[in-house]
Amino acid sequence: GDSVTQMEGPVTLSEEAFLTINCTYTATGYPSLFWYVQYPGEGLQLLLKATKADDKGSNKGFEATYRKETTSFHLEKGSVQVSDSAVYFCALRNQGGKLIFGQGTELSVKP
Amino acid sequence: EPEVTQTPSHQVTQMGQEVILRCVPISNHLYFYWYRQILGQKVEFLVSFYNNEISEKSEIFDDQFSVERPDGSNFTLKIRSTKLEDSAMYFCASSVSRGQPSYEQYFGPGTRLTVT
Repeated sequence: GDSVTQMEGPVTLSEEAFLTINCTYTATGYPSLFWYVQYPGEGLQLLLKATKADDKGSNKGFEATYRKETTSFHLEKGSVQVSDSAVYFCALRNQGGKLIFGQGTELSVKP
Repeated sequence: EPEVTQTPSHQVTQMGQEVILRCVPISNHLYFYWYRQILGQKVEFLVSFYNNEISEKSEIFDDQFSVERPDGSNFTLKIRSTKLEDSAMYFCASSVSRGQPSYEQYFGPGTRLTVT
């Protein structure tokens, strides 16, 4: 069945460091891909999305490119801030509409 | 900006009791979902609902679970006889459409269910 695999956390970075969180997927058909963020004590917020191959999603300095050839959707940010500390979830949406999430990657950014 | 709301934010119940978790989806949305997240684990799909019917359900969504849209605004998840392993954060989500690429699901803040 469809699945999403993320790099394990926690990831600890200093402020202004470069961030990469790896995400790969297995799916039949052509899923849409998403990154969601969960700040401490809060629900899930959509960070960015891409709906077809080679699309780049971007928001708040974060970017991810839908790579069909490598079945990947890695999240990147050039310069992280303390306020980016959160858990990041990669997800795909299958043809039926449900979201399938990766296990989440906790990011901690130190001043 | 419209948002999905959920009540209560935290529910504590004893094993074997029934609980009802409530959600108010965004008003023009047609598709509704429940997900859960056991502490420290991934977010898992439970069920999707459209046109007053379940569209899809996961293996987790057994006979102890049911969903209902009792009126034009609420969407509820009922657990008939709670078990310890039902302790989790339960998220409601809604979307305008299911298959259109651009229509994402909007999540509520979640209800933390603790079964003792």
